[in-house]
Amino acid sequence: DIQMTQSPSSLSASVGDRVTITCQASQDINNYLNWYQQKPGKAPKLLIYDASNLETGVPSRFSGSGSGTDFTFTISSLQPEDIATYYCQQYDNLPPTFGGGTKVEFK
Amino acid sequence: EVQLLESGGGLVQPGGSLRLSCAASGFTFSSSAMSWVRQAPGKGLEWVSVLSGSGGNIYYAGSVKGRFTISRDNSKNTLYLQMNSLRAEDTAVYYCAKDLLRWQKYGVVDCWGQGTLVTVSS
Repeated sequence: DIQMTQSPSSLSASVGDRVTITCQASQDINNYLNWYQQKPGKAPKLLIYDASNLETGVPSRFSGSGSGTDFTFTISSLQPEDIATYYCQQYDNLPPTFGGGTKVEFK
Repeated sequence: EVQLLESGGGLVQPGGSLRLSCAASGFTFSSSAMSWVRQAPGKGLEWVSVLSGSGGNIYYAGSVKGRFTISRDNSKNTLYLQMNSLRAEDTAVYYCAKDLLRWQKYGVVDCWGQGTLVTVSS
């Protein structure tokens, strides 16, 4: 199985801060990389697919980049409603595998 | 509006069985690949299984292969997960998920159910 290493596992930031999360795959996954947001007690929500494509209805402050094995997820200006855990996920090979998650909290 | 509603979770003893159901609405169920994804308490996400719209393609995570069976009834717009020989490590919230089958690959989930909790304990 492809291993997805996400960092940091948690971070604290203030409203308006730029937040960056990285995700590294154990092998080349081309651009078959998604980012999900999960709020406490809720199901995950797809934010970005294919490394950099914003899902319909997702605010433009969220973005993704990268290719091959190294990917980055960015929130350009953190908002109160962005407090959540974020997961990267590859789907190049079965089984689809997730990173360990990054919990974003307010400082 | 796309909706997925899971049911069937609960407390079961190690070695026991449980069958989860997922009622789907708001989209053409028979054309959609469907998955189960689970999340142990306080832990991350783990993909469990996927089934193509026709039912002809099935894949399982290694951790459940041989114990879990995914199936669907397209006439009832319902997805199932039969779980046998349950272990303590199967304790998790199980999510039903609609797969986009993007680029003919499984794994892009655009809609999730609310989840149903399965607890395996004596």
